[in-house]
Amino acid sequence: KAGVTQTPRYLIKTRGQQVTLSCSPISGHRSVSWYQQTPGQGLQFLFEYFSETQRNKGNFPGRFSGRQFSNSRSEMNVSTLELGDSALYLCASSLDGTELNYGYTFGSGTRLTVV
Amino acid sequence: AQTVTQSQPEMSVQEAETVTLSCTYDTSESDYYLFWYKQPPSRQMILVIRQEAYKQQNATENRFSVNFQKAAKSFSLKISDSQLGDAAMYFCAYRILPSNTGKLIFGQGTTLQVKP
Repeated sequence: KAGVTQTPRYLIKTRGQQVTLSCSPISGHRSVSWYQQTPGQGLQFLFEYFSETQRNKGNFPGRFSGRQFSNSRSEMNVSTLELGDSALYLCASSLDGTELNYGYTFGSGTRLTVV
Repeated sequence: AQTVTQSQPEMSVQEAETVTLSCTYDTSESDYYLFWYKQPPSRQMILVIRQEAYKQQNATENRFSVNFQKAAKSFSLKISDSQLGDAAMYFCAYRILPSNTGKLIFGQGTTLQVKP
């Protein structure tokens, strides 16, 4: 079956702009989590969506937001981009994020560069 | 606060040899899962092995095994018969249970080089 698909793969934006990244989970998976990966901070949890509801949120400013659609596809949005937002953004999907399926399948990420 | 520490930024191993990657974590929870993920240059995080904290038996997946020491909060990964394809960045991760949240807490990663 198809894996987790993230689009676009690469993105270059200018400081001050906004950006939307997309994640399509594995068919049947209802939980989508987002992570930011940078050399300095490592992998940091952004937020998780389950059945169109945000279930948990990391310590990121309000410029970072997300949503999930009825087909479980998720988008994350970053407004007023800053140079420090340059990172690899990874999404992970799982059936429901609970004990029965505690493994997550990750996508290949979107590499965002802010100039 | 829950934290995960990988004290070895880089490791190298000769092909066919064995290497152990270290991971320690800090938590006050009693139920949780621990994971090792591999991230090759393709960037996709690939699950290598997982361990439930309530299980005393160490998890094993083919050439990969863990040494889980719950009291010491240690979770090391042993790779036997190392192969060139094992070269990647390895992340140790932790998740609280029971929980209805999908939040994983990651260590800083260890880059593994495999020498032919």
